[in-house]
Amino acid sequence: GDSVTQMEGPVTLSEEAFLTINCTYTATGYPSLFWYVQYPGEGLQLLLKATKADDKGSNKGFEATYRKETTSFHLEKGSVQVSDSAVYFCALVISYYKLSFGAGTTVTVRA
Amino acid sequence: DAGVTQSPTHLIKTRGQQVTLRCSPKSGHDTVSWYQQALGQGPQFIFQYYEEEERQRGNFPDRFSGHQFPNYSSELNVNALLLGDSALYLCASSSLTYEQYFGPGTRLTVT
Repeated sequence: GDSVTQMEGPVTLSEEAFLTINCTYTATGYPSLFWYVQYPGEGLQLLLKATKADDKGSNKGFEATYRKETTSFHLEKGSVQVSDSAVYFCALVISYYKLSFGAGTTVTVRA
Repeated sequence: DAGVTQSPTHLIKTRGQQVTLRCSPKSGHDTVSWYQQALGQGPQFIFQYYEEEERQRGNFPDRFSGHQFPNYSSELNVNALLLGDSALYLCASSSLTYEQYFGPGTRLTVT
């Protein structure tokens, strides 16, 4: 079935460090790919998306490129802030139906 | 413009009881999906409602049921609660797009 595998955490960084969270997917069709972020005690917020191969999603300094050849959608940010501390989820959807999520990666940024 | 709202915020129930969770979708959205997020895990798809019908269902037992009303709001019902049903229940809304917008969730604790 359709699934997402993302880098296990937790990840601890210093402020202004470079962040990468790896995400790979398995899908029978042509998925759309997402990164969601969950701050402590809150629901999920859509961070960025890409709907076809080679698309680059970006938001709040985060970027991810849909790589069909490597079935990947790695999340990157060049300079993290303490406020970026959260759990990040990679997800895919084939149709209008269900999102399939990865297990989540906890990121902690230290001042 | 109100986003997705859910009620109640927190709920404590006893094993064997029944619970009803409620969700109002984002304005303009006609599709509601429900997810279960156990502690430390990614959300798992329960089911999706569109035009007051269950359109797709995940791997959850029949104890989990739902309903969508003409105003697009939705309820999730869980019967015969088990300890393992303790989780954050997330509602997401959408409208003919792959983007799903999540509410803050209902934290259910079964004792």
